[in-house]
Amino acid sequence: NAGVMQNPRHLVRRRGQEARLRCSPMKGHSHVYWYRQLPEEGLKFMVYLQKENIIDESGMPKERFSAEFPKEGPSILRIQQVVRGDSAAYFCASSPLAGVVGEQFFGPGTRLTVL
Amino acid sequence: EDQVTQSPEALRLQEGESSSLNCSYTVSGLRGLFWYRQDPGKGPEFLFTLYSAGEEKEKERLKATLTKKESFLHITAPKPEDSATYLCAVQADTGANSKLTFGKGITLSVRP
Repeated sequence: NAGVMQNPRHLVRRRGQEARLRCSPMKGHSHVYWYRQLPEEGLKFMVYLQKENIIDESGMPKERFSAEFPKEGPSILRIQQVVRGDSAAYFCASSPLAGVVGEQFFGPGTRLTVL
Repeated sequence: EDQVTQSPEALRLQEGESSSLNCSYTVSGLRGLFWYRQDPGKGPEFLFTLYSAGEEKEKERLKATLTKKESFLHITAPKPEDSATYLCAVQADTGANSKLTFGKGITLSVRP
């Protein structure tokens, strides 16, 4: 049973470029969460999505960041016009449940470096 | 705002030397408290979920406990392979919002 898959594992972008991070949830999971981990910081929630719906984007910066989880295909976290402060590890998690207590299972992360 | 504080930030143990990691939390209403293990360069690996005060769960050398204000992760006779960062997170009972609020983690090093 494949776990949460993320790609690419490492991504290098120059300032001003766009970064696209992909996440395929575990089989049977329809809820996806994105978290960001900055050096020396804990994991910070960004956005929670279900298929074709954004449920909670309270942790997402208002500008340059967007997320989607289409009916078909992986969830995408998109960062436009990247800046050095966007350098971080971005983790995706998935869960089969919503509204009840359920564990979130994490992928291996995408490490974004902005030059 | 939900908050999670973990202490100490780092812990160095000798192999076989038992200890406990602390996680203090404030949350409007606790739906669940989670412990994860994270190895360098990898994603968090789920360990335990605790739902209510007084609950305990065990897995090999690890035992997690929960009170109304904090959780402890007890490590009995640790081995070098237990070296990792241990993360604590809470999920609030606020309707459909299922986000996890994490502490900064405790980095455990176990010397052979």
